[in-house]
Amino acid sequence: GAVVSQHPSRVICKSGTSVKIECRSLDFQATTMFWYRQFPKQSLMLMATSNEGSKATYEQGVEKDKFLINHASLTLSTLTVTSAHPEDSSFYICSVQRLAGVGDEQYFGPGTRLTVT
Amino acid sequence: EDQVTQSPEALRLQEGESSSLNCSYTVSGLRGLFWYRQDPGKGPEFLFTLYSAGEEKEKERLKATLTKKESFLHITAPKPEDSATYLCAVRTISGGSNYKLTFGKGTLLTVNP
Repeated sequence: GAVVSQHPSRVICKSGTSVKIECRSLDFQATTMFWYRQFPKQSLMLMATSNEGSKATYEQGVEKDKFLINHASLTLSTLTVTSAHPEDSSFYICSVQRLAGVGDEQYFGPGTRLTVT
Repeated sequence: EDQVTQSPEALRLQEGESSSLNCSYTVSGLRGLFWYRQDPGKGPEFLFTLYSAGEEKEKERLKATLTKKESFLHITAPKPEDSATYLCAVRTISGGSNYKLTFGKGTLLTVNP
């Protein structure tokens, strides 16, 4: 069964509005979750690492004020795209990591397709 | 800067025609090499993790191997349902104690019946 869920699976929003995407770890508690973005025919690019109870760590070139991440519990992280623009249209995918010694795999959610009109 | 290069970009096989996908990498401090399968419009599905040169792992028609500079994903007697994009990623330590995955662009595999 699924290890990670995301909601919504698809969202269309107007330019200038904000969109929130949820990522849930279903099988285990995840102190660390990751957010990726994937453009068509491109690879996954890490946007930020989300740590429960602390501020997210953003990759170079990712605006932390635009992509707000909240990791409020051990099973839920949210990504809010603020003041979305058409160039933010992409496939957003979260992942959770099972810690070393327990399995050490990194599992991905089904992704959220964001279209900004 | 960590780099992952996958080849070929696309591969067409006939059902039953075995082949291999390549993933070459340049990293400082490898903490694991991952293989994933990704179907269109879906998130990556975990296949294997390899940690050290010489390690091999198998799952059904797939076998992954690792050397100090590259990894291969061998597909034996593929079936049409094996058609997907196969992604390779290397894990390194980033920003203290956090791990980070760097992905290649993937190999699009098409298996014709």
